Amino acid sequence: DTEVTQTPKHLVMGMTNKKSLKCEQHMGHRAMYWYKQKAKKPPELMFVYSYEKLSINESVPSRFSPECPNSSLLNLHLHALQPEDSALYLCASSQDTEYTEAFFGQGTRLTVV
Amino acid sequence: DAKTTQPPSMDCAEGRAANLPCNHSTISGNEYVYWYRQIHSQGPQYIIHGLKNNETNEMASLIITEDRKSSTLILPHATLRDTAVYYCIVRVLINNNDMRFGAGTRLTVKP
Repeated sequence: DTEVTQTPKHLVMGMTNKKSLKCEQHMGHRAMYWYKQKAKKPPELMFVYSYEKLSINESVPSRFSPECPNSSLLNLHLHALQPEDSALYLCASSQDTEYTEAFFGQGTRLTVV
Repeated sequence: DAKTTQPPSMDCAEGRAANLPCNHSTISGNEYVYWYRQIHSQGPQYIIHGLKNNETNEMASLIITEDRKSSTLILPHATLRDTAVYYCIVRVLINNNDMRFGAGTRLTVKP
């Protein structure tokens, strides 16, 4: 199984809502990533978890809160988002110390209204 | 990580080889060249990677110049399904979870 599964596929939320994005992989990968992608732009790295510990945080606003409850799961908790946070949120995973290939999910299309 | 420079867009005729260039003139000795592509509205997909030797797999070939300052991704017989944005990324292989995308090249394969 070489899949990274992201749920939901689409999400519309108000600026006062709290919601969570979920990402799951069963490849035994110990590094997991969140990216944000705006239309016609490349993916931007947000967070990296390595062995369930946050290893990279690209100065992302605190209204985005990542969580890695175990080696297969990665969550992104969303609170008080702004309309400009509307984007495609991509999750990826890879082997940790020597990785040749990262696997990406299909993304969650988030719209903040 | 070293930065990369790619042309913003390219066209290719269906059935012909697509040659996508990438400049990485400040690449370090321990940095690999990776290629990913992203088909519209999908997650990026790994294609190939290499250090200094040419590499080939079922999807593509990667040609790296001897001085390693540039590389070319070759799709030998492009199909309409190869229309995508292709990203060239330079990064250290070991003990490194940092992977950042540049602007990429939008390849359009035309019938």
